[in-house]
Amino acid sequence: IAGITQAPTSQILAAGRRMTLRCTQDMRHNAMYWYRQDLGLGLRLIHYSNTAGTTGKGEVPDGYSVSRANTDDFPLTLASAVPSQTSVYFCASSPLASSTDTQYFGPGTRLTVL
Amino acid sequence: AQSVAQPEDQVNVAEGNPLTVKCTYSVSGNPYLFWYVQYPNRGLQFLLKYITGDNLVKGSYGFEAEFNKSQTSFHLKKPSALVSDSALYFCAGRTAYSGAGSYQLTFGKGTKLSVIP
Repeated sequence: IAGITQAPTSQILAAGRRMTLRCTQDMRHNAMYWYRQDLGLGLRLIHYSNTAGTTGKGEVPDGYSVSRANTDDFPLTLASAVPSQTSVYFCASSPLASSTDTQYFGPGTRLTVL
Repeated sequence: AQSVAQPEDQVNVAEGNPLTVKCTYSVSGNPYLFWYVQYPNRGLQFLLKYITGDNLVKGSYGFEAEFNKSQTSFHLKKPSALVSDSALYFCAGRTAYSGAGSYQLTFGKGTKLSVIP
């Protein structure tokens, strides 16, 4: 079934460690996004990529970095994890970088930083 | 700045009764509005969206939403609730591209819907 896969499903991480969350889509969508979901705050955009080779900062980018070397993959890296980065992380994609396009979400990665 | 509000943290409804999950928005220009549903330990699933045209939008699983420009609302509705509709519902919105670089969706905080058998 076509869609978005994320790995790992969940992870417990010691503070200060480096971690990369993986996201792959097989829909050939141009735009991809990373959100974090925290209780009572909804979803907040971390970084985005409107097309392969370009990235941009969202609402809460500090402590995170992304790359978009090709259309399908959009990894999110925490260079030195802190407890406040404990959250559920969702990758999403849309066919185009467009105001009217629907974003489609992956199953999420639950990250706990101790 | 744009914002989306879901005034109710939780909505309880009896199975078979109509349900409404409320959403109000504050965006400049023409709003583009979306509803998503999230089941436990799952990602968000798209339900429906309003871009332009008919104010009543029909979506997946029998859901519909009514866009009301004067009240800046986009409430989600279903005529007859099912127990399987119990989930977390998110309203989201954005405007046309502002030149800021991101087609960011602004999400509400979510409303937990419980359908009671």
